[in-house]
Amino acid sequence: EAGVAQSPRYKIIEKRQSVAFWCNPISGHATLYWYQQILGQGPKLLIQFQNNGVVDDSQLPKDRFSAERLKGVDSTLKIQPAKLEDSAVYLCASSSSGQGRREQYFGPGTRLTVT
Amino acid sequence: QQQVKQSPQSLIVQKGGISIINCAYENTAFDYFPWYQQFPGKGPALLIAIRPDVSEKKEGRFTISFNKSAKQFSLHIMDSQPGDSATYFCAAMSAGNMLTFGGGTRLMVKP
Repeated sequence: EAGVAQSPRYKIIEKRQSVAFWCNPISGHATLYWYQQILGQGPKLLIQFQNNGVVDDSQLPKDRFSAERLKGVDSTLKIQPAKLEDSAVYLCASSSSGQGRREQYFGPGTRLTVT
Repeated sequence: QQQVKQSPQSLIVQKGGISIINCAYENTAFDYFPWYQQFPGKGPALLIAIRPDVSEKKEGRFTISFNKSAKQFSLHIMDSQPGDSATYFCAAMSAGNMLTFGGGTRLMVKP
């Protein structure tokens, strides 16, 4: 079974530029999550999708961050415009919606550096 | 508000020793407690998880101890090996399946 795929793996941009990250979850996983992991900290949930609907985006800075999951499979996370404090690893995770299945599987992440 | 507190931030253990990482939570709505292992440049990988109706769960060299009344849980790594050197995160999940992570513990196992 293929894992969660993310691209790009690394991105360097200047502040005020825009950037987009892509995630392909494990096949058949209905739930998809985006996390932000600042260096030296634990991941922080940004947004959760169930199929193509948003379940929770309470911690997503909506003035600059947006995310979508068209057709309930792949997802993109966009930052526009980027700030220095957005430098972090952006992790995508997915989970099955089956009964009692609560494990989340993480991709390798995209390391963003904003200069 | 940090809902899951993890300690220590870093830990050095000799090969063959026991590594112990502790976590405490505040939200009594949490009902699933996983531990993740993360190597540099990789995403977190699920190691072991426990539900609050169980006081202990063991998988190989890894054991979770859970104290519901104290709202604390811990990870024990027996016979620690250099390959266990990584960052470990405890986490807690509520009914909405949203994970709240602790701050992480960087473990170094010396040969």
